[in-house]
Amino acid sequence: DVKVTQSSRYLVKRTGEKVFLECVQDMDHENMFWYRQDPGLGLRLIYFSYDVKMKEKGDIPEGYSVSREKKERFSLILESASTNQTSMYLCASSLLSQKLFFGSGTQLSVL
Amino acid sequence: GEDVEQSLFLSVREGDSSVINCTYTDSSSTYLYWYKQEPGAGLQLLTYIFSNMDMKQDQRLTVLLNKKDKHLSLRIADTQTGDSAIYFCAVSGSGNTGKLIFGQGTTLQVKP
Repeated sequence: DVKVTQSSRYLVKRTGEKVFLECVQDMDHENMFWYRQDPGLGLRLIYFSYDVKMKEKGDIPEGYSVSREKKERFSLILESASTNQTSMYLCASSLLSQKLFFGSGTQLSVL
Repeated sequence: GEDVEQSLFLSVREGDSSVINCTYTDSSSTYLYWYKQEPGAGLQLLTYIFSNMDMKQDQRLTVLLNKKDKHLSLRIADTQTGDSAIYFCAVSGSGNTGKLIFGQGTTLQVKP
């Protein structure tokens, strides 16, 4: 089975802190994605990546950046966390344009 | 851009059938998916349908696709309390990018 692992289940950070969310997949998938999930809004795509060192903006990239130095790892970076970035963050991976496999999510609270 | 719409809440009694509906705007979507999210968990792929099909059945799940109306539905037969979850409809975005566009999610409440 595909395993997508997010390093933290819960995180609490202060406004202005730099925050790193880590995601690792073990199935040699080319594509990796970061979504945020908010009640009533569903999942919104922040960034995605097709390959190592490649990244593309999703629908809501403002305030975020990403890093993909190795194929299995895709990091989401909040340069200066703000309260409106309190959310559930979901990482996913896929092989080419096939179905997505998700991690368990990281619930981030910014105080 | 692509838009996917779902109603937010559905309540059924145990043993009844549940039907969760979804509408979308991009007719070029190749694959259409249903994901399930249980409390405190990530999304789990439940089933999917290719755009040239109009129906797919998998045990208690039936997916119906009406391409003309851009309408997708998920029917769960003999709904159980373990089916209580949020169900997300998702469609593949334009181009061969692997991106999925998600609906808002429908919370299914199953009453005993």
